[in-house]
Amino acid sequence: EDKVVQSPLSLVVHEGDTVTLNCSYEVTNFRSLLWYKQEKKAPTFLFMLTSSGIEKKSGRLSSILDKKELFSILNITATQTGDSAVYLCAVEANAGGTSYGKLTFGQGTILTVHP
Amino acid sequence: DGGITQSPKYLFRKEGQNVTLSCEQNLNHDAMYWYRQDPGQGLRLIYYSQIVNDFQKGDIAEGYSVSREKKESFPLTVTSAQKNPTAFYLCASRPGTGSGYTFGSGTRLTVV
Repeated sequence: EDKVVQSPLSLVVHEGDTVTLNCSYEVTNFRSLLWYKQEKKAPTFLFMLTSSGIEKKSGRLSSILDKKELFSILNITATQTGDSAVYLCAVEANAGGTSYGKLTFGQGTILTVHP
Repeated sequence: DGGITQSPKYLFRKEGQNVTLSCEQNLNHDAMYWYRQDPGQGLRLIYYSQIVNDFQKGDIAEGYSVSREKKESFPLTVTSAQKNPTAFYLCASRPGTGSGYTFGSGTRLTVV
């Protein structure tokens, strides 16, 4: 059974701090790893990672994948109160003979940024 | 604007009743998905569909049913066989492999 584990489950920081969120996985037929931010309802897409060692960056957020050690990290520098959200990690694996994979999600990390 | 629309946003159901959650997308995406989210847990896959008139069970399909008669629509029925239906339900779609999923805003179902 495919498994995705995120840590920590919750994190409280102050504005300006840098945070690192972790995601480890065990899946068969790995395709990609995705990060999402969920504030109120709909998760919004952050990154898709398919290759080891290549950092993806968007503003203060960055992410990297290690396919040998089966984990990914999401970094947020100079955090702001608007970064407060649940951050979801998901791994896509091949689903039998289908052309579309299926996602397995971790539990999420609840990030709270205080002013 | 293109996107995914889920309705209703909030739904209350009496025990023993079937209810249907709507999911419509105008993104021309081929694949559509239904997820369930419980407090403190990640999203769990209920059903997914890659093309019209075809769908597959996810990890927790028992007590649920779906149909895909049109590319734009992927309704989910929560049947009375689902023992613990109170949850937040998210619909998603994607255009193809190698691209991220787009999620709807969700439906919060409460059994009263």
